[in-house]
Amino acid sequence: NAGVTQTPKFRILKIGQSMTLQCTQDMNHNYMYWYRQDPGMGLKLIYYSVGAGITDKGEVPNGYNVSRSTTEDFPLRLELAAPSQTSVYFCASSPTSGGTGELFFGEGSRLTVL
Amino acid sequence: EDQVTQSPEALRLQEGESSSLNCSYTVSGLRGLFWYRQDPGKGPEFLFTLYSAGEEKEKERLKATLTKKESFLHITAPKPEDSATYLCAVRPSGNTGKLIFGQGTTLQVKP
Repeated sequence: NAGVTQTPKFRILKIGQSMTLQCTQDMNHNYMYWYRQDPGMGLKLIYYSVGAGITDKGEVPNGYNVSRSTTEDFPLRLELAAPSQTSVYFCASSPTSGGTGELFFGEGSRLTVL
Repeated sequence: EDQVTQSPEALRLQEGESSSLNCSYTVSGLRGLFWYRQDPGKGPEFLFTLYSAGEEKEKERLKATLTKKESFLHITAPKPEDSATYLCAVRPSGNTGKLIFGQGTTLQVKP
């Protein structure tokens, strides 16, 4: 009953370092998303994917990259980390059709850039 | 531009004191309005989807309603365990499945 799994849960980076946030889902969902959540700002879409090999930018893509080589995995890459990327990152997935159309979220990855 | 605004930002209630949260939206071709609950340190959990004006959904002490411009989440006789941040989101037209979120309302229910 794993659902959407994110790693790591917590990470501290120095300015200029790079890292990858991992996201895996076991529900065979085609759609996957990366959001960031800042205090009082709600969730902002960074990147999304409608299937393996297909990705597109969301509202706030600058400073990030993604790839989608399999249905299950959707890693988020941060290049040259900046303090503005300090945030909580959520990965989510949803089925292509059927159900109520909701997104299933992971537990989040809290990133601090110092 | 697709936009979602929630009010109030924060709400404190006494146990049993009913109230409503508001979600106003502008979207190109609404394909669904969603309510989520988020507990501290956790990811959002799905509550309801509403598709058309006049639609209502209920779950325990929560009832969500939808008009052409806004949605309300009514909380009847809340309990302390209802304390959480409630997020509203809309799905615009297109086949990406993505949601546009409001900033949330943080509800605190005191015993």
